[in-house]
Amino acid sequence: DIQMTQSPSTLSASVGDRVTITCRASQSINIWLAWYQQKPGKAPKLLIYRASALQSGVPSRFSGSGSGTEFTLTISSLQPDDFATYYCQQYKSSRTFGQGTKVEIK
Amino acid sequence: QVQVVQSGAEVKTPGASVKVSCKASGYTFTRHYVHWVRQAPGQGLEWMGMINPSDGYRVYAQKFQGRVTMTWDTSASTVYLELSRLRYDDSAVFFCAREGIHDSDDAFDIWGQGTMVTVSS
Repeated sequence: DIQMTQSPSTLSASVGDRVTITCRASQSINIWLAWYQQKPGKAPKLLIYRASALQSGVPSRFSGSGSGTEFTLTISSLQPDDFATYYCQQYKSSRTFGQGTKVEIK
Repeated sequence: QVQVVQSGAEVKTPGASVKVSCKASGYTFTRHYVHWVRQAPGQGLEWMGMINPSDGYRVYAQKFQGRVTMTWDTSASTVYLELSRLRYDDSAVFFCAREGIHDSDDAFDIWGQGTMVTVSS
C-alpha cells in the first residue's frame, strides 16, 4: 500500500500569510494527487487534482505542485475562510489519504 | 444541481449491521464511480472502497474485506454501503463521494453530507 505523510500536522498562521503544506508518498505516484479542505462538521471539498490542476470554483490563491513522491499545497495569502484541515490523497493505486494538516489562527 | 445525498444518522448495537444510502442527482449516475470514506471522531479520512454503478465492479480496502458490501440500484440512482459485525470503534461519519472523470482514475469532486453511525450498547 502507498503511504502518504503530511507535514506539519498543525500550522499556526495569520491572515495574509503565505502557507505551505507538504505531502510525501512512500513511492512514486506521478501526478495522481489531490488536495481537499475540510471544515468541522462538513464534508471535504476538492481543491486541487492531478497535483496542480485547480478545481472549478476554487480561489486562485490555492495552488499545488510536485510530482513523484513530494508535493506541496500553497495558499498565497491566507484568508479567514481558509482556517480548516487539509488532506492530500493519492490515486495512483487504490486511494490513500494523508493524516491531515490543521491550519489554525496564530 | 449535481449532488449526492445520504441517509440519516444511525445508532446500532455491537455485532449488528448498518446500511447507508447515497442518492445521486443532477448527473448521469452510471458515468461516475462512487467511493466510501470513513472518519472516526477527531480523526482523518479513511478510504473504504468503491463501486462502479455501471457494471457493479467493486474494490474494497483490505481492512474492511469480509465486513463491507457495496451495492447499487440504477433505477433509484442510489448506492449503498453495508458494514456488518459492528464494533464500538466503527462509530464514525461515513461519506460517499463521486469520482470525477478528468482521467481514468480521478479525485473525488462531489461529496455527500456524511452519515453519523454510532455503535452503542
